[in-house]
Amino acid sequence: DQQVKQNSPSLSVQEGRISILNCDYTNSMFDYFLWYKKYPAEGPTFLISISSIKDKNEDGRFTVFLNKSAKHLSLHIVPSQPGDSAVYFCAASRTSYGKLTFGQGTILTVHP
Amino acid sequence: DAGVTQSPTHLIKTRGQQVTLRCSPISGHKSVSWYQQVLGQGPQFIFQYYEKEERGRGNFPDRFSARQFPNYSSELNVNALLLGDSALYLCASSSPAGGLGTDTQYFGPGTRLTVL
Repeated sequence: DQQVKQNSPSLSVQEGRISILNCDYTNSMFDYFLWYKKYPAEGPTFLISISSIKDKNEDGRFTVFLNKSAKHLSLHIVPSQPGDSAVYFCAASRTSYGKLTFGQGTILTVHP
Repeated sequence: DAGVTQSPTHLIKTRGQQVTLRCSPISGHKSVSWYQQVLGQGPQFIFQYYEKEERGRGNFPDRFSARQFPNYSSELNVNALLLGDSALYLCASSSPAGGLGTDTQYFGPGTRLTVL
């Protein structure tokens, strides 16, 4: 049972444009959502998080949007840079400290 | 400050053997979680420890076990290895945010286990 889904295996974007990565979840008990970035041969790097009491959180070029009614979240990267090329995972948790349930990941490629 | 460290980096074992993976959390972090990531999928939760107590267990067989030591480092043990145990094993550490935010989990580089 895939409780967190990233339906786009890959995304290709031109440098300077916006990258939008999407994530859907099915478990209404999830209260915290996070995005991680992963380069080959490295562990996931935390990018940004949002709790269910908010619908938007910004950190520099990264903004996460949460639509609880649709059980959907998205990560916007503006402007996209070649160094952003990596695998992006969304993750969800029922508590602020509990286990993370990850999506399958989306490979983002930013072309110069 | 040093991040989460894991050892070894790579490991090759044969079916039926046993393996121990090690993790040192970020200084001051008291919680350690273990995840398994197979190729093409997201990490899957195996265990979480907080203050040396097991706080959560994922859907993995009893061949998988873990413990946390008084210095908050942790070991993951896998017995009777199967080919399907080949994966990247990730350790993450976190620290309670005192209700001010999420206990963000920070990951180490992982241990790549290959079972032949």
